[in-house]
Amino acid sequence: SQTIHQWPATLVQPVGSPLSLECTVEGTSNPNLYWYRQAAGRGLQLLFYSVGIGQISSEVPQNLSASRPQDRQFILSSKKLLLSDSGFYLCAWSVQGLGAGKNTEAFFGQGTRLTVV
Amino acid sequence: DQQVKQNSPSLSVQEGRISILNCDYTNSMFDYFLWYKKYPAEGPTFLISISSIKDKNEDGRFTVFLNKSAKHLSLHIVPSQPGDSAVYFCAASKGYSTLTFGKGTMLLVSP
Repeated sequence: SQTIHQWPATLVQPVGSPLSLECTVEGTSNPNLYWYRQAAGRGLQLLFYSVGIGQISSEVPQNLSASRPQDRQFILSSKKLLLSDSGFYLCAWSVQGLGAGKNTEAFFGQGTRLTVV
Repeated sequence: DQQVKQNSPSLSVQEGRISILNCDYTNSMFDYFLWYKKYPAEGPTFLISISSIKDKNEDGRFTVFLNKSAKHLSLHIVPSQPGDSAVYFCAASKGYSTLTFGKGTMLLVSP
């Protein structure tokens, strides 16, 4: 069975410090990988998605970056955190080759609560 | 520009009654719709989905209705249970694409 691991669960970082959140998926190959952020009153906002190693698409301009060094590994980074980067970050994966009538379900990790102070 | 809208931030229902969560979308190219349930400090979990070629999909206590002409979908939970209390996110996708989520509706089911 497929599982997704995301860590750490909580993180408190000072403004200006770097960030690295890691996500790994097991039990599947060549998944689509996603980073979402849930900020207060703003629902789930897609930050990045990747359809393969080294392939990253950014949905919104921001202070963050993403990398996919291996097929089932997705990393969210920042060189210098801002207060506005605080939020609940979620990694997710889905099967490749989506479309109408197919299962486009995305499976989420447990999330990382990031507080920038 | 929010393409998926959940206009009710919260909903309170008594146990045993029906919960109806609503979702509107603006992009007519969306062809697949999903509902996710999220507890605090956890990732969302998939609940139920519907393809644009259907107008209803049922799974146990959960039924999703799709009205394409109105660009509206709804999730019905019957009967509602206290364990259903969570935030419910509506999501949509078009073809091979990412999911676009609404802001969520917090459902509180009281005993």
